[in-house]
Amino acid sequence: GAVVSQHPSWVICKSGTSVKIECRSLDFQATTMFWYRQFPKQSLMLMATSNEGSKATYEQGVEKDKFLINHASLTLSTLTVTSAHPEDSSFYICSASRTNAYNEQFFGPGTRLTVL
Amino acid sequence: GQQLNQSPQSMFIQEGEDVSMNCTSSSIFNTWLWYKQDPGEGPVLLIALYKAGELTSNGRLTAQFGITRKDSFLNISASIPSDVGIYFCAGGSGGGADGLTFGKGTHLIIQP
Repeated sequence: GAVVSQHPSWVICKSGTSVKIECRSLDFQATTMFWYRQFPKQSLMLMATSNEGSKATYEQGVEKDKFLINHASLTLSTLTVTSAHPEDSSFYICSASRTNAYNEQFFGPGTRLTVL
Repeated sequence: GQQLNQSPQSMFIQEGEDVSMNCTSSSIFNTWLWYKQDPGEGPVLLIALYKAGELTSNGRLTAQFGITRKDSFLNISASIPSDVGIYFCAGGSGGGADGLTFGKGTHLIIQP
């Protein structure tokens, strides 16, 4: 149990276009989902916390108008990178929280975004 | 913001050797966790620590939550080829409903 999927697993887009990434908890309901960004050979950096039915909370320095997060159901959160630029190229990883415990945050396999 | 210093950055070891890596923080965490990440995948939880001084094992892995709550270490005994990967420490400073702060990772490479 506790499987989290992401779609797509990789995407290539042109500069200026928008890209949507989905994060799904397949076998549990997640009241909270988290979005992280990981640059090559770097750490995971928390971007935002997403709670079902409410607005996401963004970390300092993360542009909320650029990274739109929607958490419409207990099993789905989406991250839309708007007007993507090459510097947005990164590995985007979500995690879904089954309960309010750190060891119950389960990570998705990640989405590799390349902006040309 | 909080930062985690993880060392070493990379390790080249022989199969069968023991491995040790650690994380230190400038501030206190309530929970320390250790993850392993394979290339192109998300992190997988190895061990979670909840109390200062706690020592926890998971097979060949042993981790400790430092007494000051500002550090943690992970040991891997008798390394095998499938231990290859990137190991991350992570800290949680809230009650569990918030996100994690990750270290920069230790890249473990094992020579057979």
